Amino acid sequence: NAGVTQTPKFQVLKTGQSMTLQCAQDMNHNSMYWYRQDPGMGLRLIYYSASEGTTDKGEVPNGYNVSRLNKREFSLRLESAAPSQTSVYFCASSITQIRNTEAFFGQGTRLTVV
Amino acid sequence: QKEVEQDPGPLSVPEGAIVSLNCTYSNSAFQYFMWYRQYSRKGPELLMYTYSSGNKEDGRFTAQVDKSSKYISLFIRDSQPSDSATYLCAMSEVTGFQKLVFGTGTRLLVSP
Repeated sequence: NAGVTQTPKFQVLKTGQSMTLQCAQDMNHNSMYWYRQDPGMGLRLIYYSASEGTTDKGEVPNGYNVSRLNKREFSLRLESAAPSQTSVYFCASSITQIRNTEAFFGQGTRLTVV
Repeated sequence: QKEVEQDPGPLSVPEGAIVSLNCTYSNSAFQYFMWYRQYSRKGPELLMYTYSSGNKEDGRFTAQVDKSSKYISLFIRDSQPSDSATYLCAMSEVTGFQKLVFGTGTRLLVSP
């Protein structure tokens, strides 16, 4: 009964390095999302995938790419990390993008870019 | 000005107190309102959901929406130390999780 699993939980990167944040859900959900959470800014949507095979930009997509690998997995890639990308990243999933109330978040990845 | 404003706190109360958490918003088209609870180092979890105006009660929690004032509230009765968390409001014009606009969260501390 894992729900939404994010890996890694913590990561420190040097400026310019690349990395991929992994997210997997076991609830057979169609829609998946990536958010970042910064002090004083709230949760902001980076990218989302309404269904397998589709991805769309959210509010703050610059500097990120995503891949919906299959129905279970949705990864977020930072090609060239910058200190401004220091944040806590949350993956979420929902049965469809329509239903507000049936979305679940992972436990987050704390990323520091130095 | 942000679309959704929320006092960051922290709000410190003794156990058993009634807690009032609030959000104001500027977009009069918002009609879906949600409250999330986020424990330290965890992801947010949905606590309450209200469509349009009115009140909704679930156990010790009551969500209230005043669209005329563009103001929503979450009341917690008989607060417990286990209620210590950050509470995020979220709202949207239309249904769709990706449409939600989140507040920054209010940190609540309930002392025994």
